[in-house]
Amino acid sequence: TAGITQAPTSQILAAGRSMTLRCTQDMRHNAMYWYRQDLGLGLRLIHYSNTAGTTGKGEVPDGYSVSRANTDDFPLTLASAVPSQTSVYFCASSDSRGSYTDTQYFGPGTRLTVL
Amino acid sequence: GQNIDQPTEMTATEGAIVQINCTYQTSGFNGLFWYQQHAGEAPTFLSYNVLDGLEEKGRFSSFLSRSKGYSYLLLKELQMKDSASYLCAVSPWRGANNLFFGTGTRLTVIP
Repeated sequence: TAGITQAPTSQILAAGRSMTLRCTQDMRHNAMYWYRQDLGLGLRLIHYSNTAGTTGKGEVPDGYSVSRANTDDFPLTLASAVPSQTSVYFCASSDSRGSYTDTQYFGPGTRLTVL
Repeated sequence: GQNIDQPTEMTATEGAIVQINCTYQTSGFNGLFWYQQHAGEAPTFLSYNVLDGLEEKGRFSSFLSRSKGYSYLLLKELQMKDSASYLCAVSPWRGANNLFFGTGTRLTVIP
């Protein structure tokens, strides 16, 4: 199985432009996440979704929005990009319906540069 | 807030054993994860501890002491391919939005 796919692999974006990062999983996981990873700061949660139709804010949500119309897809939108949003973005998913904390599995990432 | 600390960098010799430490102070505790991340790639799951003690998986083992807020990842018989960053992550509570990461330890294995 493919697991989690992300598109694009990398992108250079002019400041002020909008962009949607795509994430699709085929594991039927109920929960999905968007993280950004910056040197020296580690992975930080942007937004998450417990299940289709619901979303929530993570640690660094400002400037980003998400939607979860179905189980498989969890796009991340930057409405008006700024240089501080230059980062590597990882999508992840987990099956959190179990009786214990469930493992998150990560997609390959999108490297975004905002100029 | 949640605070998770691990060393920034470590170097070890091929064939040796290395221990990567992680200390945490979180609002609760529902489990601790270790991930491996090679440069330019996604984090991949290594281990999960929820009870005190040692969990062994082949060359990799992970230890947890909840009373001390402490974990370590032990890598035995180091191989060059083990050169990577190792991420410690703590889940303070159940459910989604529940994983907080340390900044990672970059391990370099030398011949």
